[in-house]
Amino acid sequence: DTGVSQDPRHKITKRGQNVTFRCDPISEHNRLYWYRQTLGQGPEFLTYFQNEAQLEKSRLLSDRFSAERPKGSFSTLEIQRTEQGDSAMYLCASSSDLGLRGNEKLFFGSGTQLSVL
Amino acid sequence: GENVEQHPSTLSVQEGDSAVIKCTYSDSASNYFPWYKQELGKRPQLIIDIRSNVGEKKDQRIAVTLNKTAKHFSLHITETQPEDSAVYFCAASKRSGGGADGLTFGKGTHLIIQP
Repeated sequence: DTGVSQDPRHKITKRGQNVTFRCDPISEHNRLYWYRQTLGQGPEFLTYFQNEAQLEKSRLLSDRFSAERPKGSFSTLEIQRTEQGDSAMYLCASSSDLGLRGNEKLFFGSGTQLSVL
Repeated sequence: GENVEQHPSTLSVQEGDSAVIKCTYSDSASNYFPWYKQELGKRPQLIIDIRSNVGEKKDQRIAVTLNKTAKHFSLHITETQPEDSAVYFCAASKRSGGGADGLTFGKGTHLIIQP
């Protein structure tokens, strides 16, 4: 499968614990995005990387959340001291910079479903 | 920031009929409008997109129209089939060369195709 892959698919944790998710984008894509989706809602933008640089962060991304993309390939999203309100599907997406054209298509992974008990 | 409104939240149509989903956006600088289809438990999949320099785009049974003046865009599905049943999301963003803004999504439309 050459699409965006995410690991794990499901994560159940107790409130207060730390969790980390991984995303492997499509190999030739230099842009990587994290979104969060709750039941009955559309995905909400969290953060965006171009190569290894984190260029944009949503106000939704509290200081308990941190994302990295150390070598410009895979990315990790860590949530510290999880709260019940963090329960959601965390989606990763990637795209390719088309240069002067600017606009690009986002391809999503299957997500990590987080349940905080 | 951008705000995207999507209607209706649920749409039930008879198989073979057409379905229309409408979205409005608030930021006149937005210039990229994709539509995603998400089946239960699966990833959102891009089905069609349109940029602000065109008013309509068609791909087989799916078409999207854009009215920049009114800041609204619509998804049209003709000759609906059972496999079209899913949640459809519209989105909008400002994209310019060298930079990127995250997509802002609507809340989704649950399309039900009645046999």
